[in-house]
Amino acid sequence: GEDVEQSLFLSVREGDSSVINCTYTDSSSTYLYWYKQEPGAGLQLLTYIFSNMDMKQDQRLTVLLNKKDKHLSLRIADTQTGDSAIYFCADRSGGGADGLTFGKGTHLIIQP
Amino acid sequence: DARVTQTPRHKVTEMGQEVTMRCQPILGHNTVFWYRQTMMQGLELLAYFRNRAPLDDSGMPKDRFSAEMPDATLATLKIQPSEPRDSAVYFCASGRDEEREQFFGPGTRLTVL
Repeated sequence: GEDVEQSLFLSVREGDSSVINCTYTDSSSTYLYWYKQEPGAGLQLLTYIFSNMDMKQDQRLTVLLNKKDKHLSLRIADTQTGDSAIYFCADRSGGGADGLTFGKGTHLIIQP
Repeated sequence: DARVTQTPRHKVTEMGQEVTMRCQPILGHNTVFWYRQTMMQGLELLAYFRNRAPLDDSGMPKDRFSAEMPDATLATLKIQPSEPRDSAVYFCASGRDEEREQFFGPGTRLTVL
């Protein structure tokens, strides 16, 4: 079945860039998503990318997609303490199914 | 500011009791999804609806779980009887066919003792 993998933790210093990586197995994925979850809260959609694109930028966020390697990354420039959260990668299959398959999430820890 | 709403936000119940969770999708959205989040399994899709019709509930334990959309403004997820292993956060999300975003509600944290 489909699988989405992420590292569990990432620690960065405030002001540095954070790069969160994700790999997926479903070659029919049409859209790939990044969600942010703060403690006790729901999931906030940060951005998504269509599978025929290789990059998308939105303010401090840059998404890179390597479709050949099935690798997705989220770069957060100038990381702030408010960026501390769990970041989930998810994909949406092109097989007609609309539900998302999520990775386990990456805990982003900000060091002062 | 349109949001998905879910009630209750927290629910503590005893094993064997019936639990009903409710979701109000964003007005105008025609797809509704139920997800469950646990420490062990992460986020899993339980069921989803398009135009109130159930399209996929393969992720849901059929013997005790049921999902319905009585109308376009209400989706329900029911567990009967509940078991301790059902303890999790249950999220509802909604979206529109022609768009690609899914917007999540704040979740219902369920604890079954």
